Formats: sequence, C-alpha cells, structure tokens
Amino acid sequence: GENVEQHPSTLSVQEGDSAVIKCTYSDSASNYFPWYKQELGKGPQLIIDIRSNVGEKKDQRIAVTLNKTAKHFSLHITETQPEDSAVYFCAASIRNFVFGPGTRLSVLP
Amino acid sequence: ETGVTQTPRHLVMGMTNKKSLKCEQHLGHNAMYWYKQSAKKPLELMFVYNFKEQTENNSVPSRFSPECPNSSHLFLHLHTLQPEDSALYLCASSPGTGGRDTQYFGPGTRLTVL
Repeated sequence: GENVEQHPSTLSVQEGDSAVIKCTYSDSASNYFPWYKQELGKGPQLIIDIRSNVGEKKDQRIAVTLNKTAKHFSLHITETQPEDSAVYFCAASIRNFVFGPGTRLSVLP
Repeated sequence: ETGVTQTPRHLVMGMTNKKSLKCEQHLGHNAMYWYKQSAKKPLELMFVYNFKEQTENNSVPSRFSPECPNSSHLFLHLHTLQPEDSALYLCASSPGTGGRDTQYFGPGTRLTVL
C-alpha cells in the first residue's frame, strides 16, 4: 500500500523567513496531494492541495510543488508569521488519504 | 471551524463503559470518515461511509462500532475499550469517495480510557 514520509519532523524559523516541508510517497498511482494545518485543540484544516496533472500551485504566501517522477511534493510558506505555528500534515491519495507523520512548525517572533 | 461538528469534545471512560461519539456535517457531503490520531503517529483511517453504506473498515477492532443513519450523521459506539485506545478521534466528510475529493475535518473528540 501507499506510504508517505514527511521531513523535517520539527522546524523552527524566524518570523519573515521561509519554511519548506517535504513529503515523499511510494505509489505512483497517487493522484491527489492535500496539505493540512492543525492548531492545538482543533481538527486539521486544508490549506492547499495539488492534483497529479499540475506541477505547482500557489495561494498568497503558500505554494505546493509536485515532482511525479521523483514522487515527492513540498509545501512552501513565505514571509512566515507567528500564526503559522502549527502541525502540518501532507497526504497522498489513490482511493483513501494516507497521511505523513506531520511537521511541527514554530515561527519565532 | 468547518461545517463538521463533533460531540463530545472530551470524554473520559472506564474500560467497562459504553459510550458514543457523534459527528454531524452541514456541508451536503455524501461521504463521512472516522480517523484515529495518536501521539507521534500519522492519522489512521478507521471507517469510510458513502451514501450511508460502509465502504471501508481498516481492520478496526470490534470494540469500535460505527453507525451512519444518514449522510449527515455518523456515530462511533465504544465498548470495552483499552487504555491504548486513548487518542483524538476525528470525523471528516467529503463530497464523494474515491480519494480525489477534499476532506473536511471536525475538531475531534479527545478520548481517555482509564
């Protein structure tokens, strides 16, 4: 079955810097790749997603890139703010979502 | 918050108790899901329902019993649980199944089994 790895597990950046989180997946048939943000005491919230027919997608300070050949995709957050501090999860999907283990991002003021 | 609500938000139960978790979605979706989120582990899919019919049971122990009376409501009945079942239980919904639809999550129920 599908396996998703995510790195790094923790990431600390200074406010205003960029943050990059990388995920790799094992099944080349995966065709949908969402990213979720989970704040303390809340459920995961979708922040951006990308489908297999697209290489890059951007939404204001957030972007996702997909390399199907290498089977990896990355989340890029620019101009980080303290409210970006949270746990971020990637997922790869064929029939069901398979989630990565998460990255705890801390944005230091 | 999304249009997915879960009650209760917190639950403490003994191993011999019977309790139920409730999920309701106000998004008009046809698919609903239960996930388990344990510390330091990825989200684990437990059950999938599409148009009230169970389409996926991810080898979940029988002490967890789901019920989906309609496309808007999903329950998880709990009985004879073990301490290792303590976790955050998340409900999600999506327009359809098949893995290409965005899933929207509720806030979760934090379950502690004593």
